[in-house]
Amino acid sequence: GIQVEQSPPDLILQEGANSTLRCNFSDSVNNLQWFHQNPWGQLINLFYIPSGTKQNGRLSATTVATERYSLLYISSSQTTDSGVYFCAVVRGGGGATNKLIFGTGTLLAVQP
Amino acid sequence: DAGVIQSPRHEVTEMGQEVTLRCKPISGHDYLFWYRQTMMRGLELLIYFNNNVPIDDSGMPEDRFSAKMPNASFSTLKIQPSEPRDSAVYFCASSFPYAEAFFGQGTRLTVV
Repeated sequence: GIQVEQSPPDLILQEGANSTLRCNFSDSVNNLQWFHQNPWGQLINLFYIPSGTKQNGRLSATTVATERYSLLYISSSQTTDSGVYFCAVVRGGGGATNKLIFGTGTLLAVQP
Repeated sequence: DAGVIQSPRHEVTEMGQEVTLRCKPISGHDYLFWYRQTMMRGLELLIYFNNNVPIDDSGMPEDRFSAKMPNASFSTLKIQPSEPRDSAVYFCASSFPYAEAFFGQGTRLTVV
């Protein structure tokens, strides 16, 4: 099956700092999503971004499907950004399914 | 729409008992997914349905696990008999075909 790798596994930031999280995947994809799992365990949709670039406030994401990676940018980080960030993909190509496969996540801690 | 609704939010049960988790997907979504999250295995897909029909149950760990979707607005995941190693957070999600998936708040299951 498709492999989804995220880096770094852990990240500690001071409030106000910027960061870039990376997601590499091993096959073509039809769907790519970024989620934030907050300290209460909720999975919050950040971006649906199988290709291209999107921005939402302090967050933006870019997926380069041909090179099989996606990046999530967090600018001017806040303590409320803390939690785990997941990348999840649906494999594309022949015999494609609708299975959303998750990476192992990046644990982010933003310190005041 | 109220989003994906799961119940109960928390469940504590004794080993050997039957456990039933419930999910109401977003109205109109064709796909419904059940995931399990543990520290060791991360977020893993157990089973998913398309138009109430199970499409892929290869992630269901054992015969003790079963899932049904009797209609477009309701699904259950049943564990019988439950074991301590089934303790995890179980998420339900729904989506349109090959589109953004939305997750419920999860059910935290503890088997003692």
